[in-house]
Amino acid sequence: DTGVSQDPRHKITKRGQNVTFRCDPISEHNRLYWYRQTLGQGPEFLTYFQNEAQLEKSRLLSDRFSAERPKGSFSTLEIQRTEQGDSAMYLCASSLTDGLAYEQYFGPGTRLTVT
Amino acid sequence: EDQVTQSPEALRLQEGESSSLNCSYTVSGLRGLFWYRQDPGKGPEFLFTLYSAGEEKEKERLKATLTKKESFLHITAPKPEDSATYLCAVQAPAGGSYIPTFGRGTSLIVHP
Repeated sequence: DTGVSQDPRHKITKRGQNVTFRCDPISEHNRLYWYRQTLGQGPEFLTYFQNEAQLEKSRLLSDRFSAERPKGSFSTLEIQRTEQGDSAMYLCASSLTDGLAYEQYFGPGTRLTVT
Repeated sequence: EDQVTQSPEALRLQEGESSSLNCSYTVSGLRGLFWYRQDPGKGPEFLFTLYSAGEEKEKERLKATLTKKESFLHITAPKPEDSATYLCAVQAPAGGSYIPTFGRGTSLIVHP
């Protein structure tokens, strides 16, 4: 299967703990995006990479959030000192940047529950 | 600020009862409008990209259309397995990044 994969699929953590999620994009895709989604809402943009460069971060992204894509392949998203408001589905997507529009392909998501 | 509004928020249909979902947008320089299907607890699944007004695309019981201000997702003779949330997203050169902006989605339930 050459789709986007994410690990873990579910994470339960206590408030104040750090968590890290991993995303493996479609291999030939140069862009990788992180989104957060809560119940009844569409995906909310967090950050994106073009190859290994992080080009944009949402103004909504707290300093507790950091993301890396060290070799332009997989990416990690770390949340430090988790809060209950961080509970959400974290989605990763990848795309090419050729063509007029950049169709994104999503992974299955990581469901985070902060207790 | 760019906005994407989907309506209705929720839609219940009987099997075989055709209907349409709406996605209205206010962006400058639309590059593409995307439709996705999302099942509960899963990531969105790509359905269509529309590029310009007048364009139509079809896949099984779904047909997407685009005007200068909105897009419709028409569902013909739906089946229970079409039950899902349908998301619309638009891509425009906001700040040069072309990050798609998503609507909140329409939750569709098709009863047998």
